[in-house]
Amino acid sequence: DAKTTQPPSMDCAEGRAANLPCNHSTISGNEYVYWYRQIHSQGPQYIIHGLKNNETNEMASLIITEDRKSSTLILPHATLRDTAVYYCIVRVAPSGNTPLVFGKGTRLSVIA
Amino acid sequence: GAVVSQHPSWVICKSGTSVKIECRSLDFQATTMFWYRQFPKQSLMLMATSNEGSKATYEQGVEKDKFLINHASLTLSTLTVTSAHPEDSSFYICSARDPASGLDNEQFFGPGTRLTVL
Repeated sequence: DAKTTQPPSMDCAEGRAANLPCNHSTISGNEYVYWYRQIHSQGPQYIIHGLKNNETNEMASLIITEDRKSSTLILPHATLRDTAVYYCIVRVAPSGNTPLVFGKGTRLSVIA
Repeated sequence: GAVVSQHPSWVICKSGTSVKIECRSLDFQATTMFWYRQFPKQSLMLMATSNEGSKATYEQGVEKDKFLINHASLTLSTLTVTSAHPEDSSFYICSARDPASGLDNEQFFGPGTRLTVL
């Protein structure tokens, strides 16, 4: 799986958009970009994933650059409950026995 | 989405005792489950892959005789920390993928078990 680079921490004001960047310059053509988050003392939670096109769901939007070497996770209106560590993971589409490998992630603090 | 549960959510034990942690897929069958360990302020580290009906596959540096994994059924995997010591104190998390959910779907994680060894 390709390596990802994320800033160690970010702050965001409550109600504002949180934009979390991720660099994955060695991504291969068949690798997806996945985002998970982990709220303190809980298991990770899936947020969104994409291959080439931008994606949006009820939680967030994922913007992938045209060359696919970087992406941005956008939480449109951050709340205090979005305070968590956000992990960007690049991997091929999962089969049954391929685990997720986590990097260090970005610790997002949403401030009132 | 699919639900993965863990039991217990936390456990405190004395040094030298063994502790069993259960991971269950509640509404799907999982032939494969994964066990992770997370120390404070660190990321999740994969410990092993649990395969139903066969032996687990351990990551390098993880002692298979210390961390016993049994995947007894398609909905249950157990991790037993044998002869626990304070350095085994950690947050243990399991995950599973619902194979019926789609080709590139997400993996579902349990809520984690916090183990404290005194």
